[in-house]
Order: sequence, then C-alpha cells, then structure tokens
Amino acid sequence: QVQLEQSGPEVKKPGSSVRVSCTTSGGTFNNYGMSWVRQAPGQGLEWVGGTIPKFGSANYAQKFQGRVIITSDKLSSTAYLEISSLTFDDTAVYYCATPRNERRHVFDFWGQGTLITVSS
Amino acid sequence: DIQMTQFPSSLAASVGDRVTITCRSSQAISSYLNWYQQKPGEAPKLLITAASSLQSGVPSRFSGSGSGTEFTLTINNLQPEDIATYYCQQSYSTRAAFGPGTKVEVK
Repeated sequence: QVQLEQSGPEVKKPGSSVRVSCTTSGGTFNNYGMSWVRQAPGQGLEWVGGTIPKFGSANYAQKFQGRVIITSDKLSSTAYLEISSLTFDDTAVYYCATPRNERRHVFDFWGQGTLITVSS
Repeated sequence: DIQMTQFPSSLAASVGDRVTITCRSSQAISSYLNWYQQKPGEAPKLLITAASSLQSGVPSRFSGSGSGTEFTLTINNLQPEDIATYYCQQSYSTRAAFGPGTKVEVK
C-alpha cells in the first residue's frame, strides 16, 4: 500500500518562497505521476499541477504557471512543490496525491496535507 | 483549462433519503470523471472513477453515471457517515480540475 508522507507546516511572509516535500513509501516512486492539490481555509479542492510519466515534465493549472515548480528526487522517493512570490491567498493546506495505476490524474493515494500560512 | 461546475452547492437530507449531485464540465470529457468524498480535517477519498466505477470498499449505495459533459453522483439510503463534501474531478485533460464541491448535511 502506497503511503505519502508530507513535510510539516510552515509560516511564510508575503513575497517569499516555500518548498513542500512528499515522500513515497510502500510502492515504486512516481510510477504513475504525482499531483499537488490545495485547499484554502473553508474552500474547495484546487489542482495546482502534476506530472504524468509518459509526458515527462510537469503540467500546471493556468493560474499557477510561472510561479510554481514541481520536481522530484528518485533517490529519496520525494516529490517537491515550490511556490514563489507568496501572497495571503496562498494560505492553504497542500496535498500530494498519486494514482495506483496508469489512470492519469485519478488520485487513489493522498498525503496528510501540509498547512502553509502566509502572514506578515 | 476545463472548468467544472457542481450543483447544488449544499443540501440537507434525512437519513434514508436519496441524494443526487450533478457535475458539469465546460467541454466534453468522455467518461474521465471521478468523485471524491471529504470529511472535515481529512484528505479526500476516491469513491468513483470513470464516471461509474465504484472503488473497492465503497458502499454500494453510492453510484455514478453520465458521460460527455453531465454527470451524476447518487447516494441511496443516506447514512450519517455520508455527511461530507463531495467533489467531482475531470482527468481527461493533462491539467486536472475539481468541481467546487457539494456539502451534504443531515436535516
């Protein structure tokens, strides 16, 4: 059974950057891609971006293009989400999520979530 | 990007009722539609994939239907543990997208 373990909560100032990590255990890392989904307080789910192995590089939702980078390190089975130029609107719980097979963007497994708070 | 809409945004029903949630996509997505359940403080849980395929372990009172641009999630015989927010999500595009969610409460 795949398990996704995310890094701890962070408090950041507006204009700064943050990097969230997601480590896979119990399965082959990034075999079927990894996505990041965020949820602002009291709001719905929002897909930020993700990878599909056969396409190579990550895809991002239009509103995050140029400000978000998704990377991964096979050796440590860890995926990363980096967000730059943080604003108060980026305050949210960020989840990593991955499929169990080749069904792209079907999220069977989820991390526990990482709360990023942007505060002056 | 493909836009997803859901309605109603919230509903109140009694235990034992049948509940129906509708999801629409801004363009045709065949059957690349998934449903998730999220309870407060928890990560979402995958319920249904490919519009109508119930995931292992999900009670049979949940069902999904639809294709193209309109989809439905039905909960028959609503149970107290079904109180949650439900999200549709398209996996047709390389850029996934979720609907805004439907909050189901007990009347």
